[in-house]
Amino acid sequence: GAVVSQHPSRVICKSGTSVKIECRSLDFQATTMFWYRQFPKKSLMLMATSNEGSKATYEQGVEKDKFLINHASLTLSTLTVTSAHPEDSSFYICSALLGLVGAGTQYFGPGTRLTVL
Amino acid sequence: GQQLNQSPQSMFIQEGEDVSMNCTSSSIFNTWLWYKQEPGEGPVLLIALYKAGELTSNGRLTAQFGITRKDSFLNISASIPSDVGIYFCAGSIYSSGTYKYIFGTGTRLKVLA
Repeated sequence: GAVVSQHPSRVICKSGTSVKIECRSLDFQATTMFWYRQFPKKSLMLMATSNEGSKATYEQGVEKDKFLINHASLTLSTLTVTSAHPEDSSFYICSALLGLVGAGTQYFGPGTRLTVL
Repeated sequence: GQQLNQSPQSMFIQEGEDVSMNCTSSSIFNTWLWYKQEPGEGPVLLIALYKAGELTSNGRLTAQFGITRKDSFLNISASIPSDVGIYFCAGSIYSSGTYKYIFGTGTRLKVLA
């Protein structure tokens, strides 16, 4: 099956620092990747859609200057949380789309637990 | 905005029982996907459905893409303790000139041995 990795799995940082999370599709190419945030006992909340070679599309209410997304290759998208604050602490999950948008299947990474002190 | 109603929200069942959960919407979906998520991990794909009426099985799991394209169900037969987790439905819809993927609120399953 399609495999997606995420790194790091856990990160603890001080308030005001920036954190980069990587999402890789290991055995397929993904023009489109997605970044989600998940709060305890809640469903996934889409933050942005990452498109290879173009700017990401952010959902309403998500600060693009706060959550920087780069999709420089067909197998790698990165999410950088800039000037992190305790309220940014959360579980961040990426997915990579296998197939065409609307008809394809999302495969998820294992998630990254971010804790901002 | 588009909503996906998933039910039940949670359920306790005895080991060996069959489980059924479903997702409904007022919108028409192009694909339906079912995932299972365990604590601290990302969702894992269980079944993907691409055509209205499609019925697909994966071991003890069976899912169907509703004929109206507005609903889907997932059945688990003869549940076992490792079926514990949160099950999410997700689907893609075409809206405002683009495709969007929408997730259900999840069904939390607990299996009593």
